[in-house]
Amino acid sequence: AQSVTQLDSQVPVFEEAPVELRCNYSSSVSVYLFWYVQYPNQGLQLLLKYLSGSTLVESINGFEAEFNKSQTSFHLRKPSVHISDTAEYFCAVSEGGSNYKLTFGKGTLLTVNP
Amino acid sequence: GAGVSQSPSNKVTEKGKDVELRCDPISGHTALYWYRQSLGQGLEFLIYFQGNSAPDKSGLPSDRFSAERTGGSVSTLTIQRTQQEDSAVYLCASSTAYQETQYFGPGTRLLVL
Repeated sequence: AQSVTQLDSQVPVFEEAPVELRCNYSSSVSVYLFWYVQYPNQGLQLLLKYLSGSTLVESINGFEAEFNKSQTSFHLRKPSVHISDTAEYFCAVSEGGSNYKLTFGKGTLLTVNP
Repeated sequence: GAGVSQSPSNKVTEKGKDVELRCDPISGHTALYWYRQSLGQGLEFLIYFQGNSAPDKSGLPSDRFSAERTGGSVSTLTIQRTQQEDSAVYLCASSTAYQETQYFGPGTRLLVL
């Protein structure tokens, strides 16, 4: 069975600092990988996803994540964060070709301080 | 177009009562999913529909939980004889049949007293 580990439950950073949110997964088959974001009092929104092809994927608001098969990781990074990036971030995995069941990590609360 | 909608947004009920939670998927999306988000367990998959059939019910935590989908559109998640541990946010998502991205609704926050 697949599983997802987000190593940090909370990550506090100052505005304009870089950030990395870590995600590791385990699966016996090929996977699709996702990062979802949940802003305060809002629903889950897809931030970015890896399905195939280039291992580096980017979002429209400056986040990027790199699929590393050998390390079974899909860490999320941003070179300079804003106050508005404060949210909870969830890493998720589904087995490639049968995406119906997303397995989520426990989430990482990113707090950006002025 | 409209996104996934869920109703009610909040529900407070007494232990032992039955509750129904509703999900309206994005128009044209044939796949529909229910998840539960609770403090202790994080986000958990409950059930998946393809059209009106549910190929995977493996995440339903007990036989008090059931779900149906009619007309390939609206879905209802029913919890019978609610318990305090059922308190959580129940999320619905939908996707096209062969697309990987699931779009989530705002959730129904259930509180069982």
